[in-house]
Amino acid sequence: TQLLEQSPQFLSIQEGENLTVYCNSSSVFSSLQWYRQEPGEGPVLLVTVVTGGEVKKLKRLTFQFGDARKDSSLHITAAQPGDTGLYLCAGNSWGKLQFGAGTQVVVTP
Amino acid sequence: GAGVSQTPSNKVTEKGKYVELRCDPISGHTALYWYRQSLGQGPEFLIYFQGTGAADDSGLPNDRFFAVRPEGSVSTLKIQRTERGDSAVYLCASSPGTNSEAFFGQGTRLTVV
Repeated sequence: TQLLEQSPQFLSIQEGENLTVYCNSSSVFSSLQWYRQEPGEGPVLLVTVVTGGEVKKLKRLTFQFGDARKDSSLHITAAQPGDTGLYLCAGNSWGKLQFGAGTQVVVTP
Repeated sequence: GAGVSQTPSNKVTEKGKYVELRCDPISGHTALYWYRQSLGQGPEFLIYFQGTGAADDSGLPNDRFFAVRPEGSVSTLKIQRTERGDSAVYLCASSPGTNSEAFFGQGTRLTVV
């Protein structure tokens, strides 16, 4: 059973469209991180959110942490083929970092 | 290089054999994590070290799996009596501290035949 539930599991969109992926949990985390992973590579950190209600922007990516620090969302505006990858959320609880199952995003030209 | 290094990158072993997977973390990072990842899935937590001690080993699936970090730097994940179900990519990550970014290695792809 995944502590962190990510949805959808798979998302295929055309270049220029927007997308949102979600990360939900019944547990409270001291921080939540989003990673992107490409085939054959380890995950690479995109952002860390710490404060409930926090919103962070990274170019075309917008990350939000829920008020209760149990859920988060990642929104990509005007997706590009380079955004293709496995998007993973990870919750930090007492130093232990646990991942969701990921959302596989495919952006076609 | 200055990143997390995992060796070997690929390991094929016969069912029942013993294997060791090595992780060289980034120098100075006190936290070290081991994960197992199946194709298209998120990393599954195995064990987390803070310094030399295992702070949390609740993710180790059974007593065939064991990990050490004797000097607080390099870590070895040891799997005894390997089974075909152990086949996966084993990822190692290190971090300078809690709530900090975890830097991942490229993983060791273990195949048990």
